[in-house]
Amino acid sequence: DAGVIQSPRHEVTEMGQEVTLRCKPISGHNSLFWYRQTMMRGLELLIYFNNNVPIDDSGMPEDRFSAKMPNASFSTLKIQPSEPRDSAVYFCASSLGGVSYEQYFGPGTRLTVT
Amino acid sequence: GQQVMQIPQYQHVQEGEDFTTYCNSSTTLSNIQWYKQRPGGHPVFLIQLVKSGEVKKQKRLTFQFGEAKKNSSLHITATQTTDVGTYFCAANTGGFKTIFGAGTRLFVKA
Repeated sequence: DAGVIQSPRHEVTEMGQEVTLRCKPISGHNSLFWYRQTMMRGLELLIYFNNNVPIDDSGMPEDRFSAKMPNASFSTLKIQPSEPRDSAVYFCASSLGGVSYEQYFGPGTRLTVT
Repeated sequence: GQQVMQIPQYQHVQEGEDFTTYCNSSTTLSNIQWYKQRPGGHPVFLIQLVKSGEVKKQKRLTFQFGEAKKNSSLHITATQTTDVGTYFCAANTGGFKTIFGAGTRLFVKA
């Protein structure tokens, strides 16, 4: 199994630009999570999907952030417009059945906004 | 809101010494998970604890869940350089959200 796949692995962009992060969960997993990790704030849950439906998006920082899961094998996290404070590592994780199951994390996307 | 405190923030040990990290919640938990993140890597699941007072072992790692299901610990016996990384607890109260602790970063000196 390929595990959770994320792209790109690194993204450098200028303030004000749109950024799209992509995730392919493990086949058969019905839950998908987007996390953001920074030194200051640690690992934060941004949004959680179950069966492609957003269940909890209370962690999404503001309207500049949006996430979609059009099907069971693909999700995107979009930031528009991006700001320097969005610089972080963004992880996607998937699990078999929500938060009571182990989460498998992707390698992450390191985003730098200048 | 739900709070998860993890201590210590950092721990430096000599290879062969023991290491313990603690996780404390303000509310009763339905389960707690532990993850390890190597430097530059991503979190990797280690174990899940569900029952009150549960103790699980993985080789040199011992995981405990408190009787009140509000605290947990991870103990590593005789640390090795391969143990370096950050250890996170992840707590769930039965809702939809898993709250990660801030992590304990372990440094092992050979």
